[in-house]
This record gives sequence, C-alpha cells and structure tokens, in this order.
Amino acid sequence: GAVVSQHPSWVICKSGTSVKIECRSLDFQATTMFWYRQFPKQSLMLMATSNEGSKATYEQGVEKDKFLINHASLTLSTLTVTSAHPEDSSFYICSARDTQVDYEQYFGPGTRLTVT
Amino acid sequence: GQNIDQPTEMTATEGAIVQINCTYQTSGFNGLFWYQQHAGEAPTFLSYNVLDGLEEKGRFSSFLSRSKGYSYLLLKELQMKDSASYLCAAMDSNYQLIWGAGTKLIIKP
Repeated sequence: GAVVSQHPSWVICKSGTSVKIECRSLDFQATTMFWYRQFPKQSLMLMATSNEGSKATYEQGVEKDKFLINHASLTLSTLTVTSAHPEDSSFYICSARDTQVDYEQYFGPGTRLTVT
Repeated sequence: GQNIDQPTEMTATEGAIVQINCTYQTSGFNGLFWYQQHAGEAPTFLSYNVLDGLEEKGRFSSFLSRSKGYSYLLLKELQMKDSASYLCAAMDSNYQLIWGAGTKLIIKP
C-alpha cells in the first residue's frame, strides 16, 4: 500500500511553454501533498505544501505565479511550470501525507523536466 | 534557524559496517527520518525515530538522542546495492520535514 504515482516520468519541452505534472496517491487519501525540486547532486528542496481544497503554501524564493499548484481532491495534486526556462530543468518529486498517520510521507517516483 | 548536518560523502567496503551521523536543530520536534535515494530516483523511506534509542530493521538500524539532537543510521553487512545517498530529515512542530543535504555512500568491493 501507500503508493504515489507521478505523470509524466520525464518530459522535454521548449522554452516558453507550460508543463503540468500530476501527483496521485493511489491507495490512500492525502490531505497534504508536497512538491520538491532536486538539482543534480543536491538535496531535496521543498517548493510548496499543497493542502486539499485550499491554496498552496510556497517556500521563500519560489514564485507562486510560475509554479501553479492545484490540489482539487484527496488523491490528486498538480504542479504546472508556466513559461518554462532552461533553468527550470530539474527533477521534480511529490510526496503525499497519509491523513491517518501524521508523520508518514510517501514519495512519487519523480518527474525529470528538461527545458530546451 | 532550522538546520540538519550530515557528512557529504562516506566510503565503506562490501560486507562491512558503516554509521552515518546526523545532527539537527528544529523548531519543535516530531521525529527523525532516514531515506535512501539512488541516483535518478525518488527517496524511499528507511526509518522513523521519535523516541530515544535504537530501532533495528534487518541490516539497517537507526538511533536517536533527542537531548543531543543527534541520530545515526547504521548499515551492516554492506552490499554493493547500498551505494546511494542517505537523507536525514527532522520533522518540526508543523509536521514539516527539514532535510539534510544527504550523505553519498560509496561501497567498494
């Protein structure tokens, strides 16, 4: 149990376009989902915390108008990278918190974004 | 401020034992996590400690001392597949994970 999926697993897009990444909890309900970004050889960096039915909380330095987060249901959160630039190329990982167990966070497999 | 410290890189020999240390400072504390991350993959959960002491799970054990703000991950009978980054993360009073930069573990035959 406790499986989190992400789609797509990798994507290549042109500079200026937008890309949507989906994060789904497959067998549990996730009130809270987290979006991370990881550059090569660096640790995870939390971008935002997404709560079902409310606005996401963004970390300092993360542009909320560029990284649009929607958490419309207890099993789905989406991250849209708008007007992507090459510097947005990174590994984007979501995690979901099981509402029944406060501390458990389950990670999705990640999405590799390359902006050309 | 909130801070997690762990060594950047460690090297060990196949079949041996290695201990990866982590010190933390957080606003409130709701537990200490260890994750394993292979290159190009998402982290996978290894352990969670919220009480002082040692938690053993197969070849992996994790220790916590809340008074010292200290934890370690102990890996026994090392295998080549254990080569990965090991991430230490402390959960603060808001149930938010504060991540360390990770320790890259290199296993040599």
